[in-house]
Amino acid sequence: AQKITQTQPGMFVQEKEAVTLDCTYDTSDQSYGLFWYKQPSSGEMIFLIYQGSYDEQNATEGRYSLNFQKARKSANLVISASQLGDSAMYFCAMSDTMNTGNQFYFGTGTSLTVIP
Amino acid sequence: NAGVTQTPKFRVLKTGQSMTLLCAQDMNHEYMYWYRQDPGMGLRLIHYSVGEGTTAKGEVPDGYNVSRLKKQNFLLGLESAAPSQTSVYFCASSYSMRLALYNEQFFGPGTRLTVL
Repeated sequence: AQKITQTQPGMFVQEKEAVTLDCTYDTSDQSYGLFWYKQPSSGEMIFLIYQGSYDEQNATEGRYSLNFQKARKSANLVISASQLGDSAMYFCAMSDTMNTGNQFYFGTGTSLTVIP
Repeated sequence: NAGVTQTPKFRVLKTGQSMTLLCAQDMNHEYMYWYRQDPGMGLRLIHYSVGEGTTAKGEVPDGYNVSRLKKQNFLLGLESAAPSQTSVYFCASSYSMRLALYNEQFFGPGTRLTVL
């Protein structure tokens, strides 16, 4: 069963607008972590933001925020005031304690294009 | 402080050839991982290690072997390369985990492997 689902293969957003990238997850564990990574065309994986399952507040990091809805098992990434440099692939990932190695389960990614 | 490094960056193999990818980290991390990234499939875990001398299978381990003889190094081997192993390979590392703690995975720059 897919642990992480990203249903938007591609998204477009106008520069300076906000955009939401969807992520839903599946786990029966009570303790887990949710991550978002950015992969620009250069290929490296850049960590953006983290949300713990017990965190009551939504995580924020600069222009990035994570809209965490635990009951719906969703962890959407919100990018405010989009910039041209935000054009990249975005991956949602989860780690839970159902494994011994802190394994990450990745979604298939969303390709974001920021339009000038 | 180089973080996570991978050698080589690019490689072309013929079917049946063997090779070893080297991953090194200088952050004293306990956990290390090998992923492969294929178009439309996100990152999939091949093998991982929870400490020196230990290895375990991930989601797609067939056709690969790994070794963790030193804490800072994690080697991925292909004994008899196949075209289906054409992919981008990422190494990552993280601190030993309890999910009460923030536990990001740090990624290397990737190795692009083509098997003809």
